[in-house]
Amino acid sequence: SQQGEEDPQALSIQEGENATMNCSYKTSINNLQWYRQNSGRGLVHLILIRSNEREKHSGRLRVTLDTSKKSSSLLITASRAADTASYFCATEEASGTYKYIFGTGTRLKVLA
Amino acid sequence: DAGVIQSPRHEVTEMGQEVTLRCKPISGHNSLFWYRQTMMRGLELLIYFNNNVPIDDSGMPEDRFSAKMPNASFSTLKIQPSEPRDSAVYFCASRVVAGGGTQYFGPGTRLTVL
Repeated sequence: SQQGEEDPQALSIQEGENATMNCSYKTSINNLQWYRQNSGRGLVHLILIRSNEREKHSGRLRVTLDTSKKSSSLLITASRAADTASYFCATEEASGTYKYIFGTGTRLKVLA
Repeated sequence: DAGVIQSPRHEVTEMGQEVTLRCKPISGHNSLFWYRQTMMRGLELLIYFNNNVPIDDSGMPEDRFSAKMPNASFSTLKIQPSEPRDSAVYFCASRVVAGGGTQYFGPGTRLTVL
């Protein structure tokens, strides 16, 4: 079953604009990760945020986590055409199973 | 580090044939995951191992699918007999199980069953 649901399903923006993607989940978690997948390629890890953290930055990426609302957001600032990809959130359930459940993904298209 | 290695990268087979996908996790990682990705169902967790032991295989679609991890550096996912609906990209991923470690993915095997 899908734990995370990303919103929007698809997003199209102009180069230089910011892109925001949201992820909602259902159960308590240990941490949440965001991944990028270029068309026809594997998933690349972007950033991990633990359940006791509220915000994290990595380069042009900013991730927030609100455990009370069971939601996370990924912000990509000053987007580039190379950011065109699908973005997935993955949650590690706090049940001690150590498995990650992936969301449905957001397809981002950055227009040059 | 070479990362997670999967083979073959592409596999085309006919319905009814046996298919074996292979994975070598990152050295030192003690948890291994098999996923399947399709347009219709997205990314599904099939099975995962901790310290070579299968922990949760509830995602395996049916008895035609089986997975093994005979040692810490090798795992296989077998489909027998294969069916057209098994066509998908199969990913292997590994991580250090404790401490919320990052999960690293292999490049995937694109399986086409005719």
